[in-house]
Amino acid sequence: GAGVSQSPSNKVTEKGKDVELRCDPISGHTALYWYRQSLGQGLEFLIYFQGNSAPDKSGLPSDRFSAERTGGSVSTLTIQRTQQEDSAVYLCASSLLAGGETQYFGPGTRLLVL
Amino acid sequence: EDQVTQSPEALRLQEGESSSLNCSYTVSGLRGLFWYRQDPGKGPEFLFTLYSAGEEKEKERLKATLTKKESFLHITAPKPEDSATYLCAVLGGGADGLTFGKGTHLIIQP
Repeated sequence: GAGVSQSPSNKVTEKGKDVELRCDPISGHTALYWYRQSLGQGLEFLIYFQGNSAPDKSGLPSDRFSAERTGGSVSTLTIQRTQQEDSAVYLCASSLLAGGETQYFGPGTRLLVL
Repeated sequence: EDQVTQSPEALRLQEGESSSLNCSYTVSGLRGLFWYRQDPGKGPEFLFTLYSAGEEKEKERLKATLTKKESFLHITAPKPEDSATYLCAVLGGGADGLTFGKGTHLIIQP
């Protein structure tokens, strides 16, 4: 079956612009996760959605970052007023359930802020 | 705070030369330890999930083991196509997301 898909695969933007990153999880998976992978750094957990429940936003790097999940499926990560330090690969993952279930990752969106 | 340390950072082996990668962790209430493989420019690819000390899982040339403090990924008679970065991650009792190590960059030379 289809895996996790993300779009766009690459995004180049100018400092100060807003960007939207999209994640389409595996069909039937209720849990969805966003991570960030910066050059030379490990993967950093950002936010998690379980179904339609409101997420804990404490892992987001700043208040310029927001995320939503509509209809318990597709999710969008929005970065407002992008900064150069936001340049990274943004990875989305999904799992059948939460709490120890294996997370399956998408190919990522490579964001470059000039 | 959950922590994961992987060693070595990089490893170069000859084709057929078996070795092990280490993942040491500290976590409050382990709910799962995960191994992934990541190729350049791609997302992590799932390999194994381990839940309790003593558990072992195998897939082709790879075998993952788990103790209360660390996990090992054993690679037997590796081939050049096994070259990749191998990532270890834990899910702790109080966490929503995985805590990853920085990975081991493995190169298998023909």
